[in-house]
Amino acid sequence: EPEVTQTPSHQVTQMGQEVILRCVPISNHLYFYWYRQILGQKVEFLVSFYNNEISEKSEIFDDQFSVERPDGSNFTLKIRSTKLEDSAMYFCASSVRGPRGTDTQYFGPGTRLTVL
Amino acid sequence: AQSVTQPDIHITVSEGASLELRCNYSYGATPYLFWYVQSPGQGLQLLLKYFSGDTLVQGIKGFEAEFKRSQSSFNLRKPSVHWSDAAEYFCAVGRNTGTASKLTFGTGTRLQVTL
Repeated sequence: EPEVTQTPSHQVTQMGQEVILRCVPISNHLYFYWYRQILGQKVEFLVSFYNNEISEKSEIFDDQFSVERPDGSNFTLKIRSTKLEDSAMYFCASSVRGPRGTDTQYFGPGTRLTVL
Repeated sequence: AQSVTQPDIHITVSEGASLELRCNYSYGATPYLFWYVQSPGQGLQLLLKYFSGDTLVQGIKGFEAEFKRSQSSFNLRKPSVHWSDAAEYFCAVGRNTGTASKLTFGTGTRLQVTL
């Protein structure tokens, strides 16, 4: 069964450094998402992406964040200058639109980002 | 704005007992509703979903959920819990926007299963 994959599984970085989190969505999916989950908290939406542009972003997704689909398979989340509060599990998800706009998102295993 | 409430932070049940996890949502139109499960250190696995039609939906691992519009609820049930069901369960609401649509998650219910 096709799955969303994410690399790396764990990333440790120093505050102020740039990180790129990578995702390979399910191959026929067209809609892509990033969510994050701070330890012990709920999963929060960051950004959605379709047709090579951002569809929607949350207030968390400020100028320090960017997303890109650099080729036909990868979907990346870049944090330009990491802060301590960016430490979280980051989930990528993808979906393909079904009848009547139905949309089922499938999630990857996550990347745990630790900012020191 | 859409929102989800899961009133139970932590539930403990005995193996073989029945289970009901509560979920209430707030959304102005017909919602799309989902239950996901997260085992420790793992990602989010889709258990089941509701878009329209039959209000009782079946999912994987023997789970089912019932959409009750009058109560704005989408409770998850399982008739007989197995020890492997111990995990965190998230209810989520989505919407039909015609484009990529975010999910709004509840705070989750942690299920503990005693033998």
